Amino acid sequence: AQTVTQSQPEMSVQEAETVTLSCTYDTSESNYYLFWYKQPPSRQMILVIRQEAYKQQNATENRFSVNFQKAAKSFSLKISDSQLGDTAMYFCAFARDNNNDMRFGAGTRLTVKP
Amino acid sequence: SAVISQKPSRDICQRGTSLTIQCQVDSQVTMMFWYRQQPGQSLTLIATANQGSEATYESGFVIDKFPISRPNLTFSTLTVSNMSPEDSSIYLCSAAGNTDTQYFGPGTRLTVL
Repeated sequence: AQTVTQSQPEMSVQEAETVTLSCTYDTSESNYYLFWYKQPPSRQMILVIRQEAYKQQNATENRFSVNFQKAAKSFSLKISDSQLGDTAMYFCAFARDNNNDMRFGAGTRLTVKP
Repeated sequence: SAVISQKPSRDICQRGTSLTIQCQVDSQVTMMFWYRQQPGQSLTLIATANQGSEATYESGFVIDKFPISRPNLTFSTLTVSNMSPEDSSIYLCSAAGNTDTQYFGPGTRLTVL
């Protein structure tokens, strides 16, 4: 079974600074997908970024980038130039190739301080 | 990306009653899913809603408690039956089209008294 571990229950960062959220996973699959979702207090789950395991290049979306280390089964999220609107729960997620089974980590609560 | 709506957005229900949550997607999608998010917790998959056939339930979830319908490619319902306070949670619908990415609805916050 696939498991996703987020070891940082809470983090904080000053506005405009950079923060990195950690995620590790366990799987025997060779091809899969990894995601970071953001859940602000409105509770809407918003896709932040996705990574395909067969791609070596790290995904980037504006201020958000990942450090994908396949051998280490690590998938961290870097948020640059943090903004107050980045305050939210961040969930790391894993999905097998056929997308029938998405597993989520426990989440990291990020607070951006002015 | 698909735009997903859910109704109701929140409800307060009495123990022993049932509530049906609706999920509507603005385009045809291949897969639809239902998740439960208990207070302060992560998301747990309840079931995959299959169009034209019975839903596929995850371990710990049964059809009698969480009956699901999916009459077409854009709509699904989840019923929470014979509710108890332990069913108080956020229930989220998600959908995926031809890509692997799931997009989520805004969730339904259920409180059972």
